[in-house]
Amino acid sequence: AQSVTQLGSHVSVSEGALVLLRCNYSSSVPPYLFWYVQYPNQGLQLLLKYTSAATLVKGINGFEAEFKKSETSFHLTKPSAHMSDAAEYFCAVTNSNTGNQFYFGTGTSLTVIP
Amino acid sequence: GEEVAQTPKHLVRGEGQKAKLYCAPIKGHSYVFWYQQVLKNEFKFLISFQNENVFDETGMPKERFSAKCLPNSPCSLEIQATKLEDSAVYFCASSLNPGGLREPQHFGDGTRLSIL
Repeated sequence: AQSVTQLGSHVSVSEGALVLLRCNYSSSVPPYLFWYVQYPNQGLQLLLKYTSAATLVKGINGFEAEFKKSETSFHLTKPSAHMSDAAEYFCAVTNSNTGNQFYFGTGTSLTVIP
Repeated sequence: GEEVAQTPKHLVRGEGQKAKLYCAPIKGHSYVFWYQQVLKNEFKFLISFQNENVFDETGMPKERFSAKCLPNSPCSLEIQATKLEDSAVYFCASSLNPGGLREPQHFGDGTRLSIL
């Protein structure tokens, strides 16, 4: 079975502070992992993806994530938060057994405090 | 086009009426997916297509929901005899075929369906 757990439904950080959004996955076979961002009244925008190449993945807007197999984690980080980063963030997993279906976490709402 | 286009943006229906949502995938993308976001933060997979063929329909409710992807037409998701619990944002996504599972899904902006 495949699933994603995002710890912390709400995260608040000060502007300029480190952003850390947690994602743990469960997958019976090697996973492919994705982070998406959702701004209000919009669809999902891809931030970055892990597809079994480098374990440290860099994405758009200064975000990056590290795949750690031993911890079954794919946490999203950004060194310095901007006000424009305030949004909902979703982690998703798929693998060769899911028929291209993505399994999403329940999302983390990021608030950036000026 | 370069974006997944979903229409309409908002759809309001009375309980028991039919609702039909449309999705034009990115040109060249072979896979189309439909998701239902009921609460703000839960995406439920409904169905996927590979070209005009149903690829995976394990998430589709057995009754009232149907979907099609016909050649040279937008894909559609139709709900018959809508119920209050069908109120949600319905997202369509598309992805390339050659990359298979490694390809990200590109999402439209969704259709907000409100059942009154």
